[in-house]
Amino acid sequence: EPEVTQTPSHQVTQMGQEVILRCVPISNHLYFYWYRQILGQKVEFLVSFYNNEISEKSEIFDDQFSVERPDGSNFTLKIRSTKLEDSAMYFCASRIEWGETQYFGPGTRLLVL
Amino acid sequence: GENVEQHPSTLSVQEGDSAVIKCTYSDSASNYFPWYKQELGKGPQLIIDIRSNVGEKKDQRIAVTLNKTAKHFSLHITETQPEDSAVYFCAASHPNTGNQFYFGTGTSLTVIP
Repeated sequence: EPEVTQTPSHQVTQMGQEVILRCVPISNHLYFYWYRQILGQKVEFLVSFYNNEISEKSEIFDDQFSVERPDGSNFTLKIRSTKLEDSAMYFCASRIEWGETQYFGPGTRLLVL
Repeated sequence: GENVEQHPSTLSVQEGDSAVIKCTYSDSASNYFPWYKQELGKGPQLIIDIRSNVGEKKDQRIAVTLNKTAKHFSLHITETQPEDSAVYFCAASHPNTGNQFYFGTGTSLTVIP
């Protein structure tokens, strides 16, 4: 069964450093998402992406964040200058078309020291 | 924006008993309500979903009910098994917000053998 994959599974970085989190959505899916989950809290929406552009973003997704689909398979989330409060589990999700459910990847646990 | 509340935050049941998790939502435009199961260290996995034109949906031991008037929906797990132990999240979405998911705070279910 096709699934969303994410790399790395864990990332430790120093405050102020740039990180890139990578996702490979399910191959025929058209809509892509990033969510984050701070330890013990709910999953929060960051950004949605369709047709090579951001379709919606939350207030969390400030100028330090960016997303890109550099080729036909990868979908990346970049944090330019990490802060301590960026420590969280980051989930990528994708769905095939409007109104259908989203399938989540296993997540990347980011720890900012 | 949409606000999803979920109760209880923790739930312990004896193996074989039923478990019920309840969610409320605030935006009457929401029309899609998935339930995800998250095991330790893994991403959320869809277990069942319901759309606003349906009042109840069942899949083997799992069922979801939706009351649009009261704006609440519930997950019912019957004949619980130890492998049902996980964190369960409800979510709501609607087209006006790009189908981003608004998640509840999660319920940690423990099934005691």
